[in-house]
Amino acid sequence: DAGVTQSPTHLIKTRGQQVTLRCSPKSGHDTVSWYQQALGQGPQFIFQYYEEEERQRGNFPDRFSGHQFPNYSSELNVNALLLGDSALYLCASSYRDRGEQYFGPGTRLTVT
Amino acid sequence: SQKIEQNSEALNIQEGKTATLTCNYTNYSPAYLQWYRQDPGRGPVFLLLIRENEKEKRKERLKVTFDTTLKQSLFHITASQPADSATYLCALPMGAIYNQGGKLIFGQGTELSVKP
Repeated sequence: DAGVTQSPTHLIKTRGQQVTLRCSPKSGHDTVSWYQQALGQGPQFIFQYYEEEERQRGNFPDRFSGHQFPNYSSELNVNALLLGDSALYLCASSYRDRGEQYFGPGTRLTVT
Repeated sequence: SQKIEQNSEALNIQEGKTATLTCNYTNYSPAYLQWYRQDPGRGPVFLLLIRENEKEKRKERLKVTFDTTLKQSLFHITASQPADSATYLCALPMGAIYNQGGKLIFGQGTELSVKP
């Protein structure tokens, strides 16, 4: 049973560029959430997708956008990258309203 | 706004002892609380979920308590082992109704180091 997978594992981008991160949820899960984790901090909620729609959103600017596909996989897009966007980006999946979430290994984004 | 606080200092204990980690929250009445383990450079791993009507929950060497009056959860690891060394995160759902699910607010985590 495959867990949550994310790609790529590492990414280096320049300020002002755009990036797309990808996530495949755990088998049987239909809800995907994205989190940003800075070094030494807990994950911060970006947004959540269910039935291909954004269901909830955290305090992140519109530069952060996402998408969920019919097979429940998801993408996170960040435009006009800033140095402060450097972080570990985590994808988590769950089934409907079940509380526990299953996280992927994350994508380490470095903006130079 | 809602706030979650965990022991900011790292916890260092000897193998075989019980580790106790604290999670306090304010301005909130969550329907449940979760604990996760995170190893360096990896995603968090779900450990336990305890609901507001449960005082205590156990899973193998793990025990979690949830005091909604004190707005506090305690996370215990008994007979600790070096392999338990990691950062432990508590998380609360954004929304007082369990079936809203989804969005979690995390504490900053407590780093546990178990020495042999």
